[in-house]
Amino acid sequence: GAVVSQHPSRVICKSGTSVKIECRSLDFQATTMFWYRQFPKQSLMLMATSNEGSKATYEQGVEKDKFLINHASLTLSTLTVTSAHPEDSSFYICSAMGLAGGIEAEQYFGPGTRLTVT
Amino acid sequence: GQNIDQPTEMTATEGAIVQINCTYQTSGFNGLFWYQQHAGEAPTFLSYNVLDGLEEKGRFSSFLSRSKGYSYLLLKELQMKDSASYLCAAMDSNYQLIWGAGTKLIIKP
Repeated sequence: GAVVSQHPSRVICKSGTSVKIECRSLDFQATTMFWYRQFPKQSLMLMATSNEGSKATYEQGVEKDKFLINHASLTLSTLTVTSAHPEDSSFYICSAMGLAGGIEAEQYFGPGTRLTVT
Repeated sequence: GQNIDQPTEMTATEGAIVQINCTYQTSGFNGLFWYQQHAGEAPTFLSYNVLDGLEEKGRFSSFLSRSKGYSYLLLKELQMKDSASYLCAAMDSNYQLIWGAGTKLIIKP
């Protein structure tokens, strides 16, 4: 099946610093990538949808100036958490949707990045 | 509004069968997905239904009724490794997944 990678898998940073998370589709071209956040024992919450070469569409309540998303190519999207605070500590998961496999609308998930802000 | 409902938690016995139900309301419909998620890991794809009926894949089966806005995931011959959260997600007309809160399945020996 299609593979999506995320880097780093875990990151610890100090409050006030910025962290960049990469999401790559390894064997297919992802026309659309999604960024999710998941707090412990809660469901996935969609943060934003990004299409290659255009600005990301953010969900209500998600600050676009704090969570910068760049979808520079059909295989790479990055999420930068700027001026991170402890409440930003969460599990960040990306997914990619493209013409891979038999289900065109399926989203393939990356393994997730656990961010801890101290 | 858009909404997905599924039970919060279920308990079953190793070797038995369990059915996890999901009801949905979305703006348009492009299919119903089931994912398995172990603690601390990203979800993994289990099944996709867009037409009414039952799809069987090994020990797991998924059913969809579009007229009723209803789906279930059926797990047979339960194994301890099946202990996980099971997420129901419906895809709306914009190809966005609307997620349920997940059903935590506890398997007892």
